[in-house]
Amino acid sequence: QKEVEQNSGPLSVPEGAIASLNCTYSDRVSQSFFWYRQYSGKSPELIMSIYSNGDKEDGRFTAQLNKASQYVSLLIRDSQPSDSATYLCAVAGYSSASKIIFGSGTRLSIRP
Amino acid sequence: DVKVTQSSRYLVKRTGEKVFLECVQDMDHENMFWYRQDPGLGLRLIYFSYDVKMKEKGDIPEGYSVSREKKERFSLILESTSTNQTSMYLCASSTGTRQPQHFGDGTRLSIL
Repeated sequence: QKEVEQNSGPLSVPEGAIASLNCTYSDRVSQSFFWYRQYSGKSPELIMSIYSNGDKEDGRFTAQLNKASQYVSLLIRDSQPSDSATYLCAVAGYSSASKIIFGSGTRLSIRP
Repeated sequence: DVKVTQSSRYLVKRTGEKVFLECVQDMDHENMFWYRQDPGLGLRLIYFSYDVKMKEKGDIPEGYSVSREKKERFSLILESTSTNQTSMYLCASSTGTRQPQHFGDGTRLSIL
């Protein structure tokens, strides 16, 4: 079992709809959770951080965390063609020596 | 804004050459990281550093070494390149463990 799992996609969503991206993780004591957006040929860009259970909203983006279910998701409202990218879920553990573990990413395509 | 600068966007080298990839961050971050990213394999951690002159092996350190003589600079060294080191190399920095990482633009390295 991978430490951080994402569906590779592609996930195709019509413009204006809500895109829902999901991620599960295996380390029960994980503390910090991040979503990155990566356009083709570019480097990952941090778009959301979430540290406690519940929802966190930033503009059209909402991150949702459920530590009991070991599940984190990203919702993108009013999807735009510019949202077409690969979205990486990243998880940081508890110990001081922990590193961030990245999922392999979900490719999102917004169709006009 | 955090600025992570990688010395080159594109590099072409021949097998057996020694290659230095340089990374500089301007936010006084404690932690710095080197990854490579290949299609279908996601981000893989090569080396990381939590302090000056300190280094830790990541998941795929073979064929690489690093140097961190100053806090803001983290260098990745490929002592004798091989074709299987053709990849996108990404540098990142963060303020501490369990904090988000911020990436440079990446260096696309081709070994012929």
